[in-house]
Parts: sequence; C-alpha cells; structure tokens
Amino acid sequence: SQQGEEDPQALSIQEGENATMNCSYKTSINNLQWYRQNSGRGLVHLILIRSNEREKHSGRLRVTLDTSKKSSSLLITASRAADTASYFCATDQGGKLIFGQGTELSVKP
Amino acid sequence: NAGVTQTPKFQVLKTGQSMTLQCAQDMNHNSMYWYRQDPGMGLRLIYYSASEGTTDKGEVPNGYNVSRLNKREFSLRLESAAPSQTSVYFCASSEAGQAGRYEQYFGPGTRLTVT
Repeated sequence: SQQGEEDPQALSIQEGENATMNCSYKTSINNLQWYRQNSGRGLVHLILIRSNEREKHSGRLRVTLDTSKKSSSLLITASRAADTASYFCATDQGGKLIFGQGTELSVKP
Repeated sequence: NAGVTQTPKFQVLKTGQSMTLQCAQDMNHNSMYWYRQDPGMGLRLIYYSASEGTTDKGEVPNGYNVSRLNKREFSLRLESAAPSQTSVYFCASSEAGQAGRYEQYFGPGTRLTVT
C-alpha cells in the first residue's frame, strides 16, 4: 500500500515561476524524503527532513513538514527547464522506505 | 566511483523464461534494495537486504528471489517470468540502519518486457 500521496499528479509552469508539490501520508514517521526522477533514469535524493524539523532548505528547494496534518510540501523556486522531472516523496514505514506515486513537473522555457 | 550499477539495461523475455538481474555498488553500503516501477506509480519494494547475509521480503515479493552475494552485489531472479512482471526494475543502496533513515542511491534501472 502507498504511504505517501503526491498532489498534484501533474504540474506545468513557465521558467522562472515557483513550483509547489504536496505529499500526504497516513502513519507516523521518523523522517520524510524527496526524490527526483528524470525521464528514463533512476531516482536522485533531494532532501531529507526529520519528524522534529518543520522546514529545511537546500539551494532552490524548500521542504516543509507538518506532522499534525501528516503532510509535506516541496517548493522549487525560480524553476528552470532542467527541473522538468517527476518528484516523489518517501516515508519510512516498518524500517522500509515507501514511495508515493509522484508529481510530474514540466517547466516550459 | 560508479555508484550503483545494474545489468542488463534492457531485456525481453518470453513467458516462463528465467533471468537474473545484477546489481553492484561501490560505496561500501550495508543495505541494498530492489524496487519495481510501473507506469503512473511510485516505486514498490520487492526485496531488501539490511546487511550482508540477510534478505527480507518487501511489498511485492511473489515471483522473485534474491541473493546477497557479498557486500557489493545483490541479485534479483525471476524463475518463471510472467507478463505481469513487465516493469522497470531499480536497485538501490544505503548506509546501515533503518531504510528511511538514510538517503538511498539508485541505479539506472533495467527495463524488462515479458511477452
């Protein structure tokens, strides 16, 4: 069963705009991770946020975590065409990493 | 430093045939994983190996077997392939500890088609 569910399933924006993706999960977690997957490639880790953290930054990425609402968001600021990819959240469940279905982001030049 | 490598990149099998997908990592990680990814879905865990000498079932283990050959290598075997096993298979590795505690490093994937 899927632990994380991303929203929206697909997002299309213009270069320079911000992109926000949301992830909801069902059970309590120790941490939450975000990954990016370019078409035809493996996943690449972006950021990990622990359950006692509320916000984390990495370059143009900002991740928030609200454990009371069991949700997280990934914000990509000043998007670029190279940000076009699928983005997945993943949560730990019983010692295993469970992935959501992903958000497909398209950034048009 | 190649990271996680997988072979083959592509494979076409007939129903009932068998094959082994190979995975190797050069990061001295203790934990290794096999996932499958189907269109429009996230990754689903097939099997994992928390450390050398141990393997455990994931979410969708039926029809698969694994071998943790040594610390570097973790193979996935399909004994009798079925069309439902058509998918993209990813191998990943991470440092020791619970799976969600550390980031996972992924290989480039194997595209398998079963006809």
